[in-house]
Amino acid sequence: NAGVTQTPKFQVLKTGQSMTLQCAQDMNHNSMYWYRQDPGMGLRLIYYSASEGTTDKGEVPNGYNVSRLNKREFSLRLESAAPSQTSVYFCASSEWPGGTDTQYFGPGTRLTVL
Amino acid sequence: EDQVTQSPEALRLQEGESSSLNCSYTVSGLRGLFWYRQDPGKGPEFLFTLYSAGEEKEKERLKATLTKKESFLHITAPKPEDSATYLCALGGDSSYKLIFGSGTRLLVRP
Repeated sequence: NAGVTQTPKFQVLKTGQSMTLQCAQDMNHNSMYWYRQDPGMGLRLIYYSASEGTTDKGEVPNGYNVSRLNKREFSLRLESAAPSQTSVYFCASSEWPGGTDTQYFGPGTRLTVL
Repeated sequence: EDQVTQSPEALRLQEGESSSLNCSYTVSGLRGLFWYRQDPGKGPEFLFTLYSAGEEKEKERLKATLTKKESFLHITAPKPEDSATYLCALGGDSSYKLIFGSGTRLLVRP
């Protein structure tokens, strides 16, 4: 039981390049989330998905797109990376709806945009 | 608007020196108050969920308590391995999203 896994762990991009961050969970959770964490700003929600086939914007969605590929997988795409997107990205999942809304986090992806 | 504020930003303790971390919040209707631990370079690790004022939960040297305005994370006789950033998160009944505080960085010196 791996919980929430994320790939890659580290990534360096040049401004304007694109990339996709992958997330998978093996807990049969319904909801999945993407956050970014920046020094002094805490965790901020980018997008979330309450079920397969649905996605909704969070607090800071601009510059990102997401895909809920199936119940297990939720990807985050940067179409044209900008230095302001340098951050640590965390994926999380929870049972909600149909269970508790406690969120369980992956190990993170550290992204640097030059 | 639902809000959460953590204090202090950083706390240094000697091994065995007990203390408390504070999480103040405002919410129209509380769905849950969550505590997480985050080690450097890792994702947040779930510790506790508190649902109503007066509720308390314990795990080893940690005890979380909840009032209508604040939650405290009490650390009794801490050890160096308790050094980490502790995050609280607020869940309001207007949304199933969580609002995270900016955390308290705890350093316990031997």
